[in-house]
Amino acid sequence: DGGITQSPKYLFRKEGQNVTLSCEQNLNHDAMYWYRQDPGQGLRLIYYSQIVNDFQKGDIAEGYSVSREKKESFPLTVTSAQKNPTAFYLCASSMTLTNYGYTFGSGTRLTVV
Amino acid sequence: KQEVTQIPAALSVPEGENLVLNCSFTDSAIYNLQWFRQDPGKGLTSLLLIQSSQREQTSGRLNASLDKSSGRSTLYIAASQPGDSATYLCAVRPGSNFGNEKLTFGTGTRLTIIP
Repeated sequence: DGGITQSPKYLFRKEGQNVTLSCEQNLNHDAMYWYRQDPGQGLRLIYYSQIVNDFQKGDIAEGYSVSREKKESFPLTVTSAQKNPTAFYLCASSMTLTNYGYTFGSGTRLTVV
Repeated sequence: KQEVTQIPAALSVPEGENLVLNCSFTDSAIYNLQWFRQDPGKGLTSLLLIQSSQREQTSGRLNASLDKSSGRSTLYIAASQPGDSATYLCAVRPGSNFGNEKLTFGTGTRLTIIP
């Protein structure tokens, strides 16, 4: 079955560490997105990519980095520069140049310890 | 800048009742609107996608309507069940040229169906 796989489901980070969240899709979607979700707040866009080897900052990109070397993969690195990284992270994908909607992964919960 | 609002933030209804969830947006120039469901600690599941040229979409007990000119969408759930308990989010895609697929999300309505 086609879908989006996020791993790990739970991740713990020590202060000053960089961690990388994985997102893989086999839907042949062109565009991929990373969102952050905090309690009581809506989803906020971190980064997005509409094509391989290209990505754009979203609304809250500071302290995060991404790469898009393959169409299927869009990993997110949470760097030590992100001062409040504890949150639920969601990856999504969509087809560009179509009227289709988004498909989401099951999320990664990151906690700073 | 597009803003999406969902009111109320939380809603509790007895099992079996029909209910309506509301979504409003400030910029009527949208391409489509998507309703999602989110269970606690889980990702988002797409429920209905309604294009700007459509007035409504139906899937089972769910019916979504769209009034683009007034900036409003509703999600109607018929004969509610405890399994419908979840947070429901709406999201709009801007109506600019192809290639702009960034969605703007509402903050959601947390629905509880009381057995």
